[in-house]
Amino acid sequence: SYVVTQPPSVSVAPGKTASLTCGGDNIGGKSVHWYQQKAGQAPVLVIYYDSDRPSGIPERFSGSNSGNTATLTISRVEAGDEADYYCQVWDSSSDHPYVFGTGTKVTVL
Amino acid sequence: QVQLVQSGAEERQPGSSVKVSCKASGGTFSSFSIGWVRQAPGQGLEWTGRISPITGMTNYAQKFQGRVTIIADKSTSTAYMELRRLRFEDTAVYYCATMSNTRGSYYFDYWGQGTLVTVSS
Repeated sequence: SYVVTQPPSVSVAPGKTASLTCGGDNIGGKSVHWYQQKAGQAPVLVIYYDSDRPSGIPERFSGSNSGNTATLTISRVEAGDEADYYCQVWDSSSDHPYVFGTGTKVTVL
Repeated sequence: QVQLVQSGAEERQPGSSVKVSCKASGGTFSSFSIGWVRQAPGQGLEWTGRISPITGMTNYAQKFQGRVTIIADKSTSTAYMELRRLRFEDTAVYYCATMSNTRGSYYFDYWGQGTLVTVSS
């Protein structure tokens, strides 16, 4: 089945920019979706189809996808952005088609 | 906006079964698929299975084949996931989520609050 990889952790100072990566073989040929999960809470969709934001998600969250890497960018990071972030793809040819990355813990310094 | 409310925490012994419910409101139940995703303590997200309420069609992750059944009751807008022959490693929070596909790829847009299933002797 398709494998996506994420760095385990990223640290960022308030007001700075955090870039979270999601790697996979030609992931640029797939659509990537991103979820934010704060401690003790259910995941929340923050980016879908590489770069679309659901209603209510701040413009500070943006996404891109090309080649073997998709990126979630959080601009002007706030303390409330501290969470785990998971990327997800749909691999239609697999018997395990809904694939999540291993997650990145974002720590706001 | 769709809201999903799940049943409460469960504790089971190894070898037994558990059934978790997920009631939807605020949307047309048959217009979206419902997926189940689990998260073991301190671990990441793992897809378990999904159902299309309008067709009843289900798909299950291979590792759960034969142990999991997902059904949908359109009359009550409720989906259920039953996991059988429970093992200690099935201890996890189980989430239901609506699944959408508007441009050729599925994503999970609305999530339930999660149900903790503890397998303990």
